[in-house]
Amino acid sequence: GQNIDQPTEMTATEGAIVQINCTYQTSGFNGLFWYQQHAGEAPTFLSYNVLDGLEEKGRFSSFLSRSKGYSYLLLKELQMKDSASYLCAVRDRNYQLIWGAGTKLIIKP
Amino acid sequence: SQTIHQWPATLVQPVGSPLSLECTVEGTSNPNLYWYRQAAGRGLQLLFYSVGIGQISSEVPQNLSASRPQDRQFILSSKKLLLSDSGFYLCAWSRGDAGELFFGEGSRLTVL
Repeated sequence: GQNIDQPTEMTATEGAIVQINCTYQTSGFNGLFWYQQHAGEAPTFLSYNVLDGLEEKGRFSSFLSRSKGYSYLLLKELQMKDSASYLCAVRDRNYQLIWGAGTKLIIKP
Repeated sequence: SQTIHQWPATLVQPVGSPLSLECTVEGTSNPNLYWYRQAAGRGLQLLFYSVGIGQISSEVPQNLSASRPQDRQFILSSKKLLLSDSGFYLCAWSRGDAGELFFGEGSRLTVL
């Protein structure tokens, strides 16, 4: 079966750095997405990786290793508004999106 | 720019009653359209997707149905709701099969 694994919950301190990991086992690979979802709201797109390496976008970066079936989302200079769930999703060979259950990130002052 | 809207935002319905959630996309043509359900602590579950008018693919057998009467309109329906239909429903669109998904605001359904 196809599977996406990410930690259920993480806690970090305002101003610090946090890394949220995602491992996947899918039938083929056509890209990996990270979304942010605040409580009670819809997910919003953060990043897309299809080639190995690091993609940087402001305070957020996303890394991909296709050979290891692994990605991480790196959040720097954490702010209270970064408290949210972060969803990892992979497109398989049929371009279907497989979703992880999400990682709830709690930011403490 | 492209926008997506879905409504209603919140719905409380008795078991056995009908359901209709609507979603419209503006600013793009021939989008792929999706209906997802999100249960607490679980990943997004794809219910239906559509690549064109009248073309609906169902991912999960259930008492829900979807229709796409117009290019940028996607409707989720049920004739008789079950308690298990409670959840957060999300409509989304993408440009083709490979693009990122853009989500509507979500509709929270509570079946009592």
